[in-house]
Amino acid sequence: AQSVTQPDIHITVSEGASLELRCNYSYGATPYLFWYVQSPGQGLQLLLKYFSGDTLVQGIKGFEAEFKRSQSSFNLRKPSVHWSDAAEYFCAVGAAYSSASKIIFGSGTRLSIRP
Amino acid sequence: DARVTQTPRHKVTEMGQEVTMRCQPILGHNTVFWYRQTMMQGLELLAYFRNRAPLDDSGMPKDRFSAEMPDATLATLKIQPSEPRDSAVYFCASGLGDGLYSNQPQHFGDGTRLSIL
Repeated sequence: AQSVTQPDIHITVSEGASLELRCNYSYGATPYLFWYVQSPGQGLQLLLKYFSGDTLVQGIKGFEAEFKRSQSSFNLRKPSVHWSDAAEYFCAVGAAYSSASKIIFGSGTRLSIRP
Repeated sequence: DARVTQTPRHKVTEMGQEVTMRCQPILGHNTVFWYRQTMMQGLELLAYFRNRAPLDDSGMPKDRFSAEMPDATLATLKIQPSEPRDSAVYFCASGLGDGLYSNQPQHFGDGTRLSIL
């Protein structure tokens, strides 16, 4: 069975600074990986996903994530954060089985932005 | 902009009562997903449909939960009988494609906040 860990419960960065949110997964085969964002005004939204191919994935709102198989990681990055990026971020890992697909979410990282 | 509509937005009821949550997917979307979010368990995928047929409901407690799509414009999630541990925010999402791993994004509704007393 797959699992996902987001080691940071809460992160605060200054506006304009770079951001990296960590995500580690456990799965025996190539996983399907996702990052979601949840904010009060926008609800839940998919930022980006990785299924196969290029390990550096571009998403919406200027976010990107890199799949590193050797480290079992899928960290989310943004070169310069904006105050509107303050939200909860969830990493998720999926596995395709023969007749069903499952997705497991991490516990989330809350991002605060310092003015 | 087209939106996924969930009703009711809030529901408070007593333990043992039947609860029905409704979701109107975006017109033309062929996949519908139900998620649950609690403080203790976080986000969970409960069930999802493609072309109104259930693809997976293994995340859902079978003894009390049921999910259906009576038609392409309505998805329902029922709990009978409800228990306090069912208190959560339930999200519906819709999308296009084959299912969970479609290249098309899911669009989420604003959720139903359910409290079981």
